[in-house]
Amino acid sequence: QSVLTQPPSVSGAPGQRITISCTGSSSNIGAGSDVHWYQHLPGTAPKLLIYADTHRPSGVPDRFSGSKSGTSASLAITGLQAEDEADYYCQSFDSNMRGVFGGGTKVTVL
Amino acid sequence: EVQLVESGGGLIQPGRSLRLSCAASGFIFHDYAMHWVRQVPGKGLEWVSGISWNSDRIVYADSVKGRFTISRDNAKNSLHLQMNSLKTEDTALYYCTRGPTVTIEYNWFDPWGQGTLVTVSS
Repeated sequence: QSVLTQPPSVSGAPGQRITISCTGSSSNIGAGSDVHWYQHLPGTAPKLLIYADTHRPSGVPDRFSGSKSGTSASLAITGLQAEDEADYYCQSFDSNMRGVFGGGTKVTVL
Repeated sequence: EVQLVESGGGLIQPGRSLRLSCAASGFIFHDYAMHWVRQVPGKGLEWVSGISWNSDRIVYADSVKGRFTISRDNAKNSLHLQMNSLKTEDTALYYCTRGPTVTIEYNWFDPWGQGTLVTVSS
């Protein structure tokens, strides 16, 4: 069981907007720890998508955005594309400086 | 080009030891904290351990504490994970990844290596 809670799956039609939630606790996200998001395609290395809650690394399309409030965070994908089919993970740190991940969300483009 | 290349994985019996390595290139290795993250086949990502730039701050996940030891050699641009008393539940793809600063606190991970597969089975 993962420390951060994500929905197992989210789906949407091409062009739609979807969101993926990431729920933590007062020991991690609620304690002020930043949330980061990764995109993971099978057989490849995970890719950093969002860092420090809302920031996009160079090269990541602005269709991807992050937000955080209280003990939860969200990743939004607008203008959903077939190439966005992947697993998405949120990540943070707990108060003991141990990394924590969400269980992952499989995004399906209908 | 920033690159991380893991090695040392393989098939190992329960209770035995294995040492993973990660060769870093394309950046100033001692300017960054480093981490190991693993993924059990068909499951999610699990953070394993992190080490600061000069090794003065090391943290482990509870699942490996006391059995795994992370270390780094800044002169050789390499990261290691010594895994002792291996269990079947340690079977996973082990990724080497970099933090954004010298310290491990509140890191995000970028980039990642391709991973090295460890299979613990009798």
